[in-house]
Amino acid sequence: DADVTQTPRNRITKTGKRIMLECSQTKGHDRMYWYRQDPGLGLRLIYYSFDVKDINKGEISDGYSVSRQAQAKFSLSLESAIPNQTALYFCATSPGTSRPYEQYFGPGTRLTVT
Amino acid sequence: DAKTTQPTSMDCAEGRAANLPCNHSTISGNEYVYWYRQIHSQGPQYIIHGLKNNETNEMASLIITEDRKSSTLILPHATLRDTAVYYCIVRPNTGKLIFGQGTTLQVKP
Repeated sequence: DADVTQTPRNRITKTGKRIMLECSQTKGHDRMYWYRQDPGLGLRLIYYSFDVKDINKGEISDGYSVSRQAQAKFSLSLESAIPNQTALYFCATSPGTSRPYEQYFGPGTRLTVT
Repeated sequence: DAKTTQPTSMDCAEGRAANLPCNHSTISGNEYVYWYRQIHSQGPQYIIHGLKNNETNEMASLIITEDRKSSTLILPHATLRDTAVYYCIVRPNTGKLIFGQGTTLQVKP
């Protein structure tokens, strides 16, 4: 079984809808991250969490919110989806202060907002 | 945070060494050099990291110049499965990575 899972893997939604992307991990890592990837733009950090009570904004947090329900679960919400949020979304985890640079990524969620 | 410059794309023959350069002339003393790669539409994969010394693991070698202004990732025997986008990232050891454009490595038979 994959260490970092994301659901759904693909989603098509309409403008204005609320949508939640979920991430779960079995690696026992404290740190979790959400990125988005657009063609030609590389990965950009949306939010990150260093533990259950710690949530931080990344480069592009506007229009997104997150919830860290448990050490193993980190959800990303789009309260009112818009077409320019169409992208590939990745969740990642890392071991924390011992090896913070070593991030493990999920398979991604392809989101299309029409 | 130091900015990195990588070539947009590179080709390498299968079985040969792939040498991927990265310039980071504004790197500061506490910033690490990390390398990740992303195979098409998959999540990025950690490869290696270093601060001052050269590093080697089962995937690759990382050569950092003495002045730390540039580095080279070496895949000693490239295979077709090494075709990917390779990201050089320079950051303090905080775990918050900022990915740039990377180098698209095409390994050819």
